[in-house]
This record gives sequence, structure tokens and C-alpha cells, in this order.
Amino acid sequence: KQEVTQIPAALSVPEGENLVLNCSFTDSAIYNLQWFRQDPGKGLTSLLLIQSSQREQTSGRLNASLDKSSGRSTLYIAASQPGDSATYLCAVRRDYKLSFGAGTTVTVRA
Amino acid sequence: DAGVTQSPTHLIKTRGQQVTLRCSPISGHKSVSWYQQVLGQGPQFIFQYYEKEERGRGNFPDRFSARQFPNYSSELNVNALLLGDSALYLCASTQGSEAFFGQGTRLTVV
Repeated sequence: KQEVTQIPAALSVPEGENLVLNCSFTDSAIYNLQWFRQDPGKGLTSLLLIQSSQREQTSGRLNASLDKSSGRSTLYIAASQPGDSATYLCAVRRDYKLSFGAGTTVTVRA
Repeated sequence: DAGVTQSPTHLIKTRGQQVTLRCSPISGHKSVSWYQQVLGQGPQFIFQYYEKEERGRGNFPDRFSARQFPNYSSELNVNALLLGDSALYLCASTQGSEAFFGQGTRLTVV
């Protein structure tokens, strides 16, 4: 059974600081890994998708790396802003389903 | 293009009742999945449907059932509701590798 862990569970930083969010998974036989953002009580917004053959993906201030052999992914958010405050979830896909971590709740202080 | 749409957005039901949740995928997407997210946890996989056939089922009791229609929309049914069924129910549609989620239905069982 795939287990996905996200550390830390919560993070509070001043505006402008870079964010580093970690995700680890136990079964390296994945098809891809996806990072999502979730605002309180809302659905999930896809941020980045990394295929199992890729090492990283970038979109604007966001960069995600994937080390499949060690079962780790890291999401970097550069120059954080108060609007980045949300819960960030990573999910790994194998076959037909996504397995999620519990998320990291980020607060960016103005 | 419209994203994944779910209805209703909020629902309050009494223990023992039955509920039906609805989901319309992104136009052209043939795969729909359902997830349950309890407060403070990551989403848990319930079902996946592709071309109207069930492709996968998570570790949920038989009280949970779903179906997909010829237009690829989907319904999730939950019978004999329990207090523990209170959660955010998320629908995702997938084309290729990436999953796109709706805003969810907040179900409260009292």
C-alpha cells in the first residue's frame, strides 16, 4: 500500500522568503506525481505534474523536483506572497488512482 | 472551457438517509474519479470510472456506489448515511496524465 508523507504539517514564513515543501512516498513504482493547492473548504487546483521519467518541472515561481528511486519530491516556491497561503498537497499516481499526503498548510505573513 | 463541475456545493442529511452527488467532467474527458476528504486529511480514493465502466474501487463499504453516464457525467450514491460520512467529496476528471478536480460537495450528516 502506497504511503505518502508531507513534512512539515504547517509552515509560517514572512513575505518574500522562499518556501520548501517536502513529500515522500513508499512505493517508487509510480506513473507520475502531482502537486496541488487547496484553499480552505475548496477543491484542488493542480500546480505541477511531473512524469516518472522527469526530474523536475517549473511554472513561474514554482519548481518541483522528483527523485523516484528515493521516493521524494520537493516543491519550491520562490519569493512567497500572502496570496500563497494555502494547503499544498502532493499525490502520486499508480494505475487508476491518486494517493495523497495530508498536506502542508502554509501561512505567509505580510 | 468549463472545468469540473459538482453539485450541490453543500448538503445536510440525517443519519440513515441516502444522498446522491453529481459531477460533470471537463469536456472531452472520459475518466471520472471520486475522492473523500475528511477534515485535516488528504483525499481518499473511492471510485474510478472510464467509458462508463468501473476501473477501480477504494477501501469503502458497499453503501458507496457510483455510475457514469453516456455523456461521461457521474453520480456518487451513499446509502444509510453515518456521522463519519461527513466530508468534502471531490470529483476529478483525467485526460492523459493530469487530474483536474472540481470544487467539491460538502456533506454534513447530523
